[in-house]
Amino acid sequence: GAGVSQTPSNKVTEKGKYVELRCDPISGHTALYWYRQSLGQGPEFLIYFQGTGAADDSGLPNDRFFAVRPEGSVSTLKIQRTERGDSAVYLCASSSAQGPLYGYTFGSGTRLTVV
Amino acid sequence: EDKVVQSPLSLVVHEGDTVTLNCSYEVTNFRSLLWYKQEKKAPTFLFMLTSSGIEKKSGRLSSILDKKELFSILNITATQTGDSAIYLCAVGGSSYKLIFGSGTRLLVRP
Repeated sequence: GAGVSQTPSNKVTEKGKYVELRCDPISGHTALYWYRQSLGQGPEFLIYFQGTGAADDSGLPNDRFFAVRPEGSVSTLKIQRTERGDSAVYLCASSSAQGPLYGYTFGSGTRLTVV
Repeated sequence: EDKVVQSPLSLVVHEGDTVTLNCSYEVTNFRSLLWYKQEKKAPTFLFMLTSSGIEKKSGRLSSILDKKELFSILNITATQTGDSAIYLCAVGGSSYKLIFGSGTRLLVRP
């Protein structure tokens, strides 16, 4: 696609529920990144994919968070047993190769609210 | 630990004013510094700086990097209400991650 597409735009869920957030990167971009932005803060790195594999998941806060990219294009961020502290904007970005020197385009984000 | 600090945290100006936003950093193996504008959720790219002393310019916006003193500034001249947004500074080191500052929230009043 022309840009990075994220769905849903907004998600409200109850504490303890499972959610999936989807990211469709720019066509042909091999690198895909997930960031989380809490209110009043800058985005924080969660996970990086090069192709199908998660090259670095060191930013995932705990084992309730998991992400996949099975065909090297669309990625899904999965959060189990959601907590109120998970409320944030989840941003996805993609680039043509590894790192910001190769362009780093962000999607519009998913605003997750856990009530 | 890598860190990026932006100042001021927030700023209120009137249309036509000139503003300067600051970004200082401590990042291992610095490679690039990026400025983004965030109006709703999506950060939109403004500039990428890799070399010291070379000003990047786009319309009323300009930015420069000082790799010796480890900071960058973003200038906006003749501000307009449409410039109201959060301005994010991010630094890329030896890895693919961007380290972001907390942002400067700019409000331009008519």
